[in-house]
This record gives sequence, C-alpha cells and structure tokens, in this order.
Amino acid sequence: DAKTTQPTSMDCAEGRAANLPCNHSTISGNEYVYWYRQIHSQGPQYIIHGLKNNETNEMASLIITEDRKSSTLILPHATLRDTAVYYCIALSGSARQLTFGSGTQLTVLP
Amino acid sequence: GAGVSQTPSNKVTEKGKYVELRCDPISGHTALYWYRQSLGQGPEFLIYFQGTGAADDSGLPNDRFFAVRPEGSVSTLKIQRTERGDSAVYLCASSLSGALYNEQFFGPGTRLTVL
Repeated sequence: DAKTTQPTSMDCAEGRAANLPCNHSTISGNEYVYWYRQIHSQGPQYIIHGLKNNETNEMASLIITEDRKSSTLILPHATLRDTAVYYCIALSGSARQLTFGSGTQLTVLP
Repeated sequence: GAGVSQTPSNKVTEKGKYVELRCDPISGHTALYWYRQSLGQGPEFLIYFQGTGAADDSGLPNDRFFAVRPEGSVSTLKIQRTERGDSAVYLCASSLSGALYNEQFFGPGTRLTVL
C-alpha cells in the first residue's frame, strides 16, 4: 500500500470548514483512499473513501486530485466533537487490513 | 444496535503471565480484525479472520501471540509470557465481509498494562 503523508496537527474554529490534506504521491491505480478518525480513548471510526471521483456523505466530503497524488477531507461545519486524530490510508484492492500512519490531530476551537 | 464490544476494558498483569482478550463483533459480521496501538501511534494490524479461519496473521509480532475464532463470531487474542513491551491498547474491528469496501467497525479497545 502507498505511503501517505499528513500534517501532524491542525486547528479549526468551530462552525468553519476543516480541510485536512493528505499526500499519496506513489498511489497506484487500484488503491483507494480511506479516511478514518479516532476520538480520544475510542476506537477508530470510518468516515469516507474514494478511488478517483470526489465523494460526499453525511459526515464529510473527499476531494481527490485528478492525478490522485493527493486528497483533502472536508468537514463542512466543524464542531467540538470533531476533535480527533484523522487518518488517511491508501488501500489496495487485495488488502483487507488497514495500515494507519500517525494521522493529523485536528483540534476544533470554540 | 450493539457495536463491537471488548472485554476487559483494562487489564493489568505481571511480566511473564498469560492473558486473554475477548472481542464480540457485530452480529452477522464475518470478518474480524485485531490491531494494537501504542501510545502516540496509529493502530498496527495483527491478524484478520474471515469466518473461523485466520486469513492473514502476518502482523502477529512473534509466537507468544495467538488468536482464535472457533465459531466464527467471538474472538480471543491470547498472549503468553507477557513482556513490558506488550503494553498497549488492543483494538478489535469487524466488517460485514472481508471485501475492501466494507467499513471496519472498531470496539473501544482493551488497555493492557504489563508491569
């Protein structure tokens, strides 16, 4: 699976959009981009995934660049409960286990 | 509905002892995963079950670690001769099947402390 690179930490004001970047420059054509988050003292939680098209669900939007070398997770209206570590994972079609990096600690400020 | 549950939530043991950690997956989920998370790091994969069989145990660090899922539902992670370096949060996840697109649902974890 391709290595992903994320900033260590980010802050966001409550009610504003949180944009979390992820670089995956070595991603291959059959690798999906997955996002999970982990709120303190809880297990990780699935957010969204995509291959090459932009995706949106009730939690977030995922924007993948045309060359697929990077992506951005967007939380449109961040709340204090969105404070968590966010993990970007590149996952091939044959893989089943998730390979977590260090993630981005997002802190939503009141 | 009920999510993934793990017991105990905390386990303190002494170096050299044997421990068992239990995972109850979501009913009907055929795939089950174990991960280990050390302080300040992301979870690391240990083993994946599809049904009763271990489909991938490549993440188990050594032969002191073993996991079973005899009836295809509950799973037990067993650690023999525990070492201080085994201290971590052990996470269990389940998914509807082993298909890539099935999201994994995680339990709250078992915090293991080896003194």
